[in-house]
Amino acid sequence: DTGVSQDPRHKITKRGQNVTFRCDPISEHNRLYWYRQTLGQGPEFLTYFQNEAQLEKSRLLSDRFSAERPKGSFSTLEIQRTEQGDSAMYLCASSLGWNTEAFFGQGTRLTVV
Amino acid sequence: AQSVTQPDIHITVSEGASLELRCNYSYGATPYLFWYVQSPGQGLQLLLKYFSGDTLVQGIKGFEAEFKRSQSSFNLRKPSVHWSDAAEYFCAVGASNTNAGKSTFGDGTTLTVKP
Repeated sequence: DTGVSQDPRHKITKRGQNVTFRCDPISEHNRLYWYRQTLGQGPEFLTYFQNEAQLEKSRLLSDRFSAERPKGSFSTLEIQRTEQGDSAMYLCASSLGWNTEAFFGQGTRLTVV
Repeated sequence: AQSVTQPDIHITVSEGASLELRCNYSYGATPYLFWYVQSPGQGLQLLLKYFSGDTLVQGIKGFEAEFKRSQSSFNLRKPSVHWSDAAEYFCAVGASNTNAGKSTFGDGTTLTVKP
């Protein structure tokens, strides 16, 4: 068990560019979550998958954001036409089922300049 | 809607002193409760969790927390703080009836440890 892995750890991009982040969950975990954390705040839920199905999206997930989990394993989070307000830490987590705790990755720190 | 309040933004304690971090939650049913710790620039590590049963739960690194339903609280304690405990601590409540991993977090308490 290598834990939840996220790539890249840091990303600096210019406003208006598209970015994509990857998350590899713990191998047997069927649920995968994306959270966003801004400075001085706790993580905020964005979306989650059960296997390959995206079952819930927060209203924080604007139409510039899209997440996929094509084969029920790794997931990607894409942000199109980035804005300075997108600067944050993007955290991925996974869990074994509906009634178990989530384990978090190290996060991807996005800076939009 | 569920919510979590961590009343203390910043706490400073001396090394070797005891620690209590406060957490109050709002949730319509019996909650799933968590405490996570986060070092600068890092992800979150689970310290302990409460799902049911004994209201005093033990976690890693010598931490414990007590669930008090009457006070809607889940305070984190440690009898003797080490310098390595300096970090940010988050309390979270998970949706116990549908999805424990979809959690609502407090805004965190930053712990500073004085030598």
